[in-house]
Amino acid sequence: EAGVTQFPSHSVIEKGQTVTLRCDPISGHDNLYWYRRVMGKEIKFLLHFVKESKQDESGMPNNRFLAERTGGTYSTLKVQPAELEDSGVYFCASSQGLGVETQYFGPGTRLLVL
Amino acid sequence: AQSVTQLGSHVSVSEGALVLLRCNYSSSVPPYLFWYVQYPNQGLQLLLKYTSAATLVKGINGFEAEFKKSETSFHLTKPSAHMSDAAEYFCAVKTPALNNDMRFGAGTRLTVKP
Repeated sequence: EAGVTQFPSHSVIEKGQTVTLRCDPISGHDNLYWYRRVMGKEIKFLLHFVKESKQDESGMPNNRFLAERTGGTYSTLKVQPAELEDSGVYFCASSQGLGVETQYFGPGTRLLVL
Repeated sequence: AQSVTQLGSHVSVSEGALVLLRCNYSSSVPPYLFWYVQYPNQGLQLLLKYTSAATLVKGINGFEAEFKKSETSFHLTKPSAHMSDAAEYFCAVKTPALNNDMRFGAGTRLTVKP
C-alpha cells in the first residue's frame, strides 16, 4: 500500500512568487492534515480536512495560505505571495479515523523563499 | 491547551549505551501521547503511542516509553543504542476531547557514536 506522498520534495522561489504544494493521502483516509516546521522549531499544525471539508484551520498563519481538497482526495496548499518567513518543511499526514488513530506522514516539501 | 516539551535538542550516546529522550507534556484533559522518528530525507514514522491502556508502551525497533501522570512525562528509552537509531525524534500530544490536531515538541536529534 502506498504511503502519503508529497510533491515537490523541494521548492526554491523568490519572495512574492506563488507556490503550490500537493499531498496525496493514503487511499481511503478521510482525514488529511497539514503541518509546518520552520527551521529548528517545533512542527506546527496548520489545518485538518475531513473529506473535502475544512474541519479545523486554526493553525493557518494568514490569508496568504489557501488549502483545498478537491473531491476529498488529494490536497493542495498554495502560498501566495510567498514571504521569507514561509520557508520551512511542510508535512502532510492522513488518518483513517480520529482520536487515537495513527497519523501517517509524508516526507515533506522543503520550501525556501529567497 | 496541550503542549509538549522535549528536554535536549541534541543527545549523543555511544553504540550499545542506554538511550533516554525526555518528553514532558501539559494537558488539561487525559492526553494521547506519541513518539515519532524522522530519518534523513524521510517522513515521520510512528514509534509508539500511549492511549490510556498500559502505562508502559512498547514500540518498534526496541524502543519503549512510560507514561507517568504524576510527573507529566513520557520519556522514550532503548536499552542499547544502534548506529541505525541516529535520527530526529519527536514527542507529540493529542487531546481528542479538545481537538484532533497534534502538538509536537521541538525534536531531539540523536547521534550514536561508534
